Amino acid sequence: QKEVEQDPGPLSVPEGAIVSLNCTYSNSAFQYFMWYRQYSRKGPELLMYTYSSGNKEDGRFTAQVDKSSKYISLFIRDSQPSDSATYLCALGETSYDKVIFGPGTSLSVIP
Amino acid sequence: EPEVTQTPSHQVTQMGQEVILRCVPISNHLYFYWYRQILGQKVEFLVSFYNNEISEKSEIFDDQFSVERPDGSNFTLKIRSTKLEDSAMYFCASTGTGVGEQYFGPGTRLTVT
Repeated sequence: QKEVEQDPGPLSVPEGAIVSLNCTYSNSAFQYFMWYRQYSRKGPELLMYTYSSGNKEDGRFTAQVDKSSKYISLFIRDSQPSDSATYLCALGETSYDKVIFGPGTSLSVIP
Repeated sequence: EPEVTQTPSHQVTQMGQEVILRCVPISNHLYFYWYRQILGQKVEFLVSFYNNEISEKSEIFDDQFSVERPDGSNFTLKIRSTKLEDSAMYFCASTGTGVGEQYFGPGTRLTVT
């Protein structure tokens, strides 16, 4: 079993839709959970960061962590064409440890 | 807003040549990292660096690779003798003490011919 898995997509949605992106992981030692957005040939841009289980909201983005199921989600409300990118989940065991990335989900938001 | 910067944005080199990729982490950060991403693949960890020494390195980070913090602001990755398979995007990242989230630079695209 791979350490971090994501549905690679591509996921195509109409503008204004609610998008749900998911990651599953196998290592129960992960305590820090991040979502990054990556445009083609650019660096990962940090969107959301959470520690432990629960929800965190920031504008149109909501991150959800369920450690008991080893499942994390990112919800995007009122999706925009500018949200079209690859979304990467990244997990770490400690606050200074390396992060392990999922393979990413490609999202297209159609005007 | 503070950000991680990297130079050059694109480096083309011949196989067997040495390259140095440069990064300026966010100024009050103490932990530094290099990752790489081969085209179409996921981002992979190379090495972490704290207090002027390597904290952890991956299997990819063999004897051909080295890192250095030559002064208070720069953080470099050197590849001594490049191979074709070193062609990738190389990302520098940094984080503050006890914070957890890592901020990435825009990357250096390394092309080995």
